[in-house]
Amino acid sequence: DAKTTQPNSMESNEEEPVHLPCNHSTISGTDYIHWYRQLPSQGPEYVIHGLTSNVNNRMASLAIAEDRKSSTLILHRATLRDAAVYYCILRDVGGAQKLVFGQGTRLTINP
Amino acid sequence: ETGVTQSPTHLIKTRGQQVTLRCSSQSGHNTVSWYQQALGQGPQFIFQYYREEENGRGNFPPRFSGLQFPNYSSELNVNALELDDSALYLCASSTPTSWHYEQYFGPGTRLTVT
Repeated sequence: DAKTTQPNSMESNEEEPVHLPCNHSTISGTDYIHWYRQLPSQGPEYVIHGLTSNVNNRMASLAIAEDRKSSTLILHRATLRDAAVYYCILRDVGGAQKLVFGQGTRLTINP
Repeated sequence: ETGVTQSPTHLIKTRGQQVTLRCSSQSGHNTVSWYQQALGQGPQFIFQYYREEENGRGNFPPRFSGLQFPNYSSELNVNALELDDSALYLCASSTPTSWHYEQYFGPGTRLTVT
């Protein structure tokens, strides 16, 4: 499974944008980039995913570098509820459905 | 639509004992995956069941076993418990008809082995 690298922790202020980076220099052409987050005392939840183009949904935006070796999860206006551990995961479209989690980034939101 | 549920929420076992954890998948989902999450770590894949058959396994010993039932609910069994088995056990359901295979996680079962 291709590996991702994320900062251990980040901090931001409420109502400000947050940019969470992820490096995946060994990504293959069939790997999708997925983001999940885990709120305190809960199981992980799906946030967003993409292959090559930037993606937007109601929760966040995903910006993917042109060479696909890095990506950034963007929370446009952070709230206290966005405080969580964010995981960047690569998934081969033809592979098993398992998710390979790294350490993730612990995001703290200051009021 | 009912989400993924797990039982029990917490339990405490003694080293050497056996434990069974249960998971009910989200309505319409025929695939269940189990993960182990040690404190401060990301979840680690244990195994996956699809239509009552094991469909992939992570790096866990055979004393970790599972079942999936015709209604797609699932059990995780761990024999000969060790102290290192203390963790949060997460169940996730999905369906292969979802092309990006989004997984829906339950809240987990916190197992403490003493």
